[in-house]
Amino acid sequence: IVMTQTPLSLSVTPGQPASISCKSSQSLLHSDGKTYLYWYLQKAGQSPQLLIYEVSNRFSGVPDRFSGSGSGTDFTLKISRVEAEDVGVYYCMQCIQPPITFGQGTRLEIK
Amino acid sequence: EVQLVQSGAEVKKPGESLKISCKGSGYNFTSHWIGWVRQMPGKGLECMGIIYPGDSDTRYSPSFQGQVTISADKSISTAYLQWSSLKASDTAMYYCARGVDHWGQGTLVTVSS
Repeated sequence: IVMTQTPLSLSVTPGQPASISCKSSQSLLHSDGKTYLYWYLQKAGQSPQLLIYEVSNRFSGVPDRFSGSGSGTDFTLKISRVEAEDVGVYYCMQCIQPPITFGQGTRLEIK
Repeated sequence: EVQLVQSGAEVKKPGESLKISCKGSGYNFTSHWIGWVRQMPGKGLECMGIIYPGDSDTRYSPSFQGQVTISADKSISTAYLQWSSLKASDTAMYYCARGVDHWGQGTLVTVSS
């Protein structure tokens, strides 16, 4: 399954919203009713950290300014008000079927 | 607290073998798959394969099939990634991850003559 993210880079003023799109080449809706789409943030020099699981569920400790939406093959990560600490590369990932695949990554910088 | 602790950085020569490790703690090691992810310098994330530690069922991504071996020893809650003959193009950071939610700190592998 090919994961395609847009845009590949984003420059946002603090306090403004940001949005990243992720499209999959096949539906990520499983017969068990779950959609196996995840969002990660990788800050400079760190391991990726899970932000959103199964499309729209925030992982433990993730601020509520992060939200995920979408279905089937089209998904979006939104940051309601960008903060300086949100800088890094955002990846979507699917694990509905092997091999697990990631999007190319979207680099978020602060203006 | 769930933790994945990876072995330290390695510097190797082309043709040498290598085995790096990922030790899980704070959870039932056999209840979640472990994945290995490659990140080449300045590039994105690539899943190399996953292993189910309970029965060692392993699934490789096509690009990595035959290039590496993934294994696990559930008695010591440790997963492994190994190469029999390294190439310069294997230079990268390698991460292990417990399912989708927890990641190790990464192991930097440098292959250079």
